[in-house]
Amino acid sequence: EPEVTQTPSHQVTQMGQEVILRCVPISNHLYFYWYRQILGQKVEFLVSFYNNEISEKSEIFDDQFSVERPDGSNFTLKIRSTKLEDSAMYFCASSAQQGAGGYTFGSGTRLTVV
Amino acid sequence: ILNVEQSPQSLHVQEGDSTNFTCSFPSSNFYALHWYRWETAKSPEALFVMTLNGDEKKKGQISATLNTKEGYSYLYIKGSQPEDSATYLCATSEKLVFGKGTKLTVNP
Repeated sequence: EPEVTQTPSHQVTQMGQEVILRCVPISNHLYFYWYRQILGQKVEFLVSFYNNEISEKSEIFDDQFSVERPDGSNFTLKIRSTKLEDSAMYFCASSAQQGAGGYTFGSGTRLTVV
Repeated sequence: ILNVEQSPQSLHVQEGDSTNFTCSFPSSNFYALHWYRWETAKSPEALFVMTLNGDEKKKGQISATLNTKEGYSYLYIKGSQPEDSATYLCATSEKLVFGKGTKLTVNP
């Protein structure tokens, strides 16, 4: 069964450093998403991406965040200057259609900012 | 702000017990309701996507119902097994607004 692949599974970074979280969505999916879950809290929507541009973003997704689809297969989330409160599990997901269809999630990247 | 609530927060049952939990969401502007099963260190696994009021879906011993008019969905597990232990998440809207999940532990 097709999978969404995320790398790395765990990243530790120093406060103020830039990190790039990588995702390979399912190849025939058109919509891509990033979510995060801070420990003990809900899974939160960050951003959706369609047709090579951001289609929607949440209040969390401020100027320190950016997404890119640099080639036909990767979908990346960049955090420019990490803060302690960015420590969370970051999930990538993809779907063939938005909303009513199934979303396939990756297994997540645990980001720890120290 | 769209708010999705799940109850109970956690649940411990014995192997063979049947159980159910609830997802509540705003009934206005309903789009779709998703259920996911999430085991630690794994990807959330899609169980059901439901769109119509009165929908009932089944996958093995797991089933779900949907009431869009009153804004709730139930997830049922019949004859729980230890391998059903996981966090069950529901989500709604186009961009998936999640509840906090129900953590189910099935004791052998």
